[in-house]
Amino acid sequence: DQQVKQNSPSLSVQEGRISILNCDYTNSMFDYFLWYKKYPAEGPTFLISISSIKDKNEDGRFTVFLNKSAKHLSLHIVPSQPGDSAVYFCGSNFGNEKLTFGTGTRLTIIP
Amino acid sequence: NAGVTQTPKFQVLKTGQSMTLQCAQDMNHEYMSWYRQDPGMGLRLIHYSVGAGITDQGEVPNGYNVSRSTTEDFPLRLLSAAPSQTSVYFCASSMTGGDGTEAFFGQGTRLTVV
Repeated sequence: DQQVKQNSPSLSVQEGRISILNCDYTNSMFDYFLWYKKYPAEGPTFLISISSIKDKNEDGRFTVFLNKSAKHLSLHIVPSQPGDSAVYFCGSNFGNEKLTFGTGTRLTIIP
Repeated sequence: NAGVTQTPKFQVLKTGQSMTLQCAQDMNHEYMSWYRQDPGMGLRLIHYSVGAGITDQGEVPNGYNVSRSTTEDFPLRLLSAAPSQTSVYFCASSMTGGDGTEAFFGQGTRLTVV
């Protein structure tokens, strides 16, 4: 049973516009969520995280919003750049030592 | 600065063969884990370890064995490969597990079982 769901397998966004990637979860017992970015033929790399006690975390062009009542978080990328084209995974530990991920969203930035 | 090193990068196995995927990290991380990535399935946790001598199962452990005799190494063993184990495998390490600490991933091993 997937505890983290990324319901959009793919997303295309024009360069310079905002990219919004979504993640839903079912288990409220989490301490944090993390976002990872993955290019083809490479391992995932850490992008940004958010603690359960916050509703927003910002790092440069990347902002994570957490809505605990809706069990939903989103990653905003502004402005989107061609180098942002990748697969994005959200994940959490849900109160234990297992870091589990969603199925990923493939983001394509159109020049 | 090697980080997490996985070998081999590519491997083709016949059904029933055994092999070990190697993973080594040089960051003195306590927590290590193995994931497999399949189309439409995302990254699924196979096994993990919170320190030398301690391992536990993840979401999809069947068909895989692990051991952790040193802090640096965390090999993944396939005792009798099956076509369903065709996948890309990633090893990851972090200082600790379960507290939001950034995990560092290796480059992956692409395994094909025919």
